[in-house]
Amino acid sequence: GENVEQHPSTLSVQEGDSAVIKCTYSDSASNYFPWYKQELGKGPQLIIDIRSNVGEKKDQRIAVTLNKTAKHFSLHITETQPEDSAVYFCAANPGSARQLTFGSGTQLTVLP
Amino acid sequence: GAVVSQHPSWVICKSGTSVKIECRSLDFQATTMFWYRQFPKQSLMLMATSNEGSKATYEQGVEKDKFLINHASLTLSTLTVTSAHPEDSSFYICSATVGQGQYFGPGTRLLVL
Repeated sequence: GENVEQHPSTLSVQEGDSAVIKCTYSDSASNYFPWYKQELGKGPQLIIDIRSNVGEKKDQRIAVTLNKTAKHFSLHITETQPEDSAVYFCAANPGSARQLTFGSGTQLTVLP
Repeated sequence: GAVVSQHPSWVICKSGTSVKIECRSLDFQATTMFWYRQFPKQSLMLMATSNEGSKATYEQGVEKDKFLINHASLTLSTLTVTSAHPEDSSFYICSATVGQGQYFGPGTRLLVL
């Protein structure tokens, strides 16, 4: 089955700096890669996603890049703000089952 | 965007009792919903896939007789934790699919005393 690895497990940045979180996947059949933000005590919130026919997608301060050949994708957050502090999960969809395989999560802390 | 609600948001119960958690898709119909369990500082663990009108598909190691799932309509799935024990204490989260996207509920915190 699909295996998703996520790094780093923790990340601290100064407010205004950029943050990058990286994930790799194993199943070349995966074609959908969402990113979720989870605040303490809440459910994950979909913040951005990318499909395998696209190499990059941006939404304001958030961007995701995908390298299908290398089987990795990354989340980029620019101009970080304290409210960006949360746990971020990457995920991959290996196909028709619509199940997601999640990475282990990254605790992002934005220091004021 | 797609909104998913869960009820209750938290529940405390005595060991041996059963607890029902509801998951609703508020502004869309979901033929497929998923139930996850999450322990502190860990990732989401898929428990089962719930399909409207059919039996749920459980992940390996998840007891189907303990975690009863019913998906009676396109907007409602329920998870019942039967004969709950302290080790069942966890954060339970449901999600519903729209196309390829998966949208999560706010979660239910279960504490079994």
